[in-house]
Amino acid sequence: AQTVTQSQPEMSVQEAETVTLSCTYDTSESNYYLFWYKQPPSRQMILVIRQEAYKQQNATENRFSVNFQKAAKSFSLKISDSQLGDTAMYFCAFMKPKGGLNRDDKIIFGKGTRLHILP
Amino acid sequence: EPEVTQTPSHQVTQMGQEVILRCVPISNHLYFYWYRQILGQKVEFLVSFYNNEISEKSEIFDDQFSVERPDGSNFTLKIRSTKLEDSAMYFCASSERRGRLTEAFFGQGTRLTVV
Repeated sequence: AQTVTQSQPEMSVQEAETVTLSCTYDTSESNYYLFWYKQPPSRQMILVIRQEAYKQQNATENRFSVNFQKAAKSFSLKISDSQLGDTAMYFCAFMKPKGGLNRDDKIIFGKGTRLHILP
Repeated sequence: EPEVTQTPSHQVTQMGQEVILRCVPISNHLYFYWYRQILGQKVEFLVSFYNNEISEKSEIFDDQFSVERPDGSNFTLKIRSTKLEDSAMYFCASSERRGRLTEAFFGQGTRLTVV
């Protein structure tokens, strides 16, 4: 079974600093997808960034980038030039691709890291 | 931009009552999900639904829970007899058809409070 581990329950950084959130996962699959979701105080789940395991290049979305280390099963999120609006709970998540006989398409979430951006 | 819509945003119900949480997935999506998040805890998978049937369900999704897509647009989660421990944020999600994956798009959630 797949598991996702986020070892940092809570972090605080000053505005404009760079912060890295850690995530490790365990799977026997070779192809899969990894995501970071942001959950602000409004409680909505917002996709921040996704990575396809077969792609070696790290995904980037504006100030958000990942460091995907497939062999180490590590998927960290880096937020550059952090902003007050980045304050939220961040969830790392794993998903197997659908298709063929695979009907197991649920997303597995880590426990989350609560990030505070301080003014 | 298309989005998943959930109603109501907040529902308060008495223990033992039935509740129906409603979701309108993105129109061309074929895979639908319900997740829940008890306050302060992780997001937990409840059920996935495809082709008018449940694809997978978790241990949480017992006989008190059911899902339905009654009219081709709405996707509902029913809890027959609510318990205090059902109080949580419930998220609906949908994703595109098989072979094109991507990510699941989440609704804004329904906060269910059982009193």
